[in-house]
Amino acid sequence: QKEVEQDPGPLSVPEGAIVSLNCTYSNSAFQYFMWYRQYSRKGPELLMYTYSSGNKEDGRFTAQVDKSSKYISLFIRDSQPSDSATYLCATPAEKLTFGTGTRLTIIP
Amino acid sequence: SAVISQKPSRDICQRGTSLTIQCQVDSQVTMMFWYRQQPGQSLTLIATANQGSEATYESGFVIDKFPISRPNLTFSTLTVSNMSPEDSSIYLCSVTDRLPETQYFGPGTRLLVL
Repeated sequence: QKEVEQDPGPLSVPEGAIVSLNCTYSNSAFQYFMWYRQYSRKGPELLMYTYSSGNKEDGRFTAQVDKSSKYISLFIRDSQPSDSATYLCATPAEKLTFGTGTRLTIIP
Repeated sequence: SAVISQKPSRDICQRGTSLTIQCQVDSQVTMMFWYRQQPGQSLTLIATANQGSEATYESGFVIDKFPISRPNLTFSTLTVSNMSPEDSSIYLCSVTDRLPETQYFGPGTRLLVL
């Protein structure tokens, strides 16, 4: 079983919609979780960083961790075309471990 | 967060040749990493570049194929040696800032081997 699993998509939604991106992880000992955003032909940029359970909000973005189900989510409210990118979840296991990434397209 | 640059941004190379990729950071950082991202796939860690000592390679990656230098706390190079078309990929360097679990990435080097 992979340490972090992510639906690769692609996912297309209309502008203004709420987007939900999800990952599962295998090891209940994991406590730190990150979301990276990668635009085409660019390196990944750190979007959000969360520790343990609960929600963390930053503008239109909310990261949520459910440790009981080993599930992490990123919600994007009022999605914009500029949000079109690949989103990768990650957690520092023995090394920083990434999901495969979900390609998101926001349709104007 | 640190500002990271990579050179070259892209290159097209012939099989059997070697390419050295440079990574420059605008501040001193403890740890630098090199990743590979093959088309449509996630990031795979190649090695950790250690300042003043040999790099630490991940399973499946060897020093003869991917020699790494780290002469100081702001600079590292990755060489892709004796290239084959299977080496066509994006190569990314990353650094850690104050939080060891968090990494910041350079823009990547897109490599195509013919």
